[in-house]
Parts: sequence; C-alpha cells; structure tokens
Amino acid sequence: EADIYQTPRYLVIGTGKKITLECSQTMGHDKMYWYQQDPGMELHLIHYSYGVNSTEKGDLSSESTVSRIRTEHFPLTLESARPSHTSQYLCASSESLAGLRNEQFFGPGTRLTVL
Amino acid sequence: AQTVTQSQPEMSVQEAETVTLSCTYDTSESDYYLFWYKQPPSRQMILVIRQEAYKQQNATENRFSVNFQKAAKSFSLKISDSQLGDAAMYFCAYRSAFTVSSGDKLTFGTGTRLAVRP
Repeated sequence: EADIYQTPRYLVIGTGKKITLECSQTMGHDKMYWYQQDPGMELHLIHYSYGVNSTEKGDLSSESTVSRIRTEHFPLTLESARPSHTSQYLCASSESLAGLRNEQFFGPGTRLTVL
Repeated sequence: AQTVTQSQPEMSVQEAETVTLSCTYDTSESDYYLFWYKQPPSRQMILVIRQEAYKQQNATENRFSVNFQKAAKSFSLKISDSQLGDAAMYFCAYRSAFTVSSGDKLTFGTGTRLAVRP
C-alpha cells in the first residue's frame, strides 16, 4: 500500500465544532489532493496543492480550507462543522511527472459524521 | 468539461468467471489518460490499470485488461478468472494530458460495485 496516511479514520462530532483532518505522505510528492466522496457516489475534487504554499480550490465547492506549509503535510479544516459536511474525505498525492506514469496514490480516508 | 459515466451501479460475477465493467466518457480533447481504480471495502483506493488515448493497443495488467474504443469514447474493464479479492467498488477516471490548463485533476465516474460469488 502507498505511504499516505490520514487521521482520524472515523470522526463523529457535533454541529459547530472546528475540526482538522490530517493527511501526510512520506513519498516526497509535490502534488496533493483532497476529494469528497458521498456514500455510493463518485469522488469530487475539493482542494489541491502543487507544492508548499500553493493551494487551489477544486471542482466541487467546499466550506473547508487547506494549508500546505510542509511538503509532506496537507491538512483540511472545517471551522464550523454542519450535518451537510457528513461524508468521506480522501487525500491523495502524486509526483510532478508529466504523462501517464503520474499516478495518484490515495490515503485510507476519513469518514466524518456531523450530528 | 469532461464527464465520466458508469452505467452499471452493481455487478456480480461467479468466482473464476469473467466480468466486464463499462465506462464511457465525454471530452473534446484529443489527448488524455484513462484509469480504473479499485476501492475495496474500508481499504485504500488503488490503481488497477491505465491507458493513454494515443495508444491503440489496449492495456493489460495480469487478469485485468481494457477495451479502449476512442471513437466511441468507451473504456471498459475486463476482469478474467475473478477472485474473491476482486470484490470492490471500481471507478473509471479521466485525466487531461494538457496539464497547464487542467493540472493533474482526475474526473471520476460514479463507480460500479462488484460482488464475487464463491
């Protein structure tokens, strides 16, 4: 399995709480991504980063924010969690290679439930 | 914008048999990459197979192969000699080759849940 880690794996939290989902990779990849995956549905890109101090919003609008202060670390924060944020969040990373060999490696995901 | 469609929400196959998962996509680009990812229950998503649009030859990885029909914009996955460990959610994904404009973003289909009967 790929060397990309997410904590916590499962989180149940009340409305209004601030939460941070952690993502770390030990592969030295420049590029990192956050996807949101609702049960039985496709993944939607919500944030990505091409390197330190670089972050961009993805295709799906999200109230979350991200930061990239270190290459290996790409945390996602929700300032005030709401039930609509209940979902699975997947982190991924890839090298800065052009072409077909540039594979995204995925973490195990964090399943978030907001009550 | 590109779209990826997987019209089979669920599929079932007998162990040791062959199954084909369908995927179609829509794009106006001439060069792109296509992927099949496997997501086992409660486990990490992993890449199964990849294909470059400019390559005529269909990709093969052991028991997994694709049928890539560029004109029809179809990219099906064939799993031969199905095993119990193949049971998972399978996602088809598209990535543009024009990274300046689109980066390395993947566009996913809605997935097909494959069950393998012993």
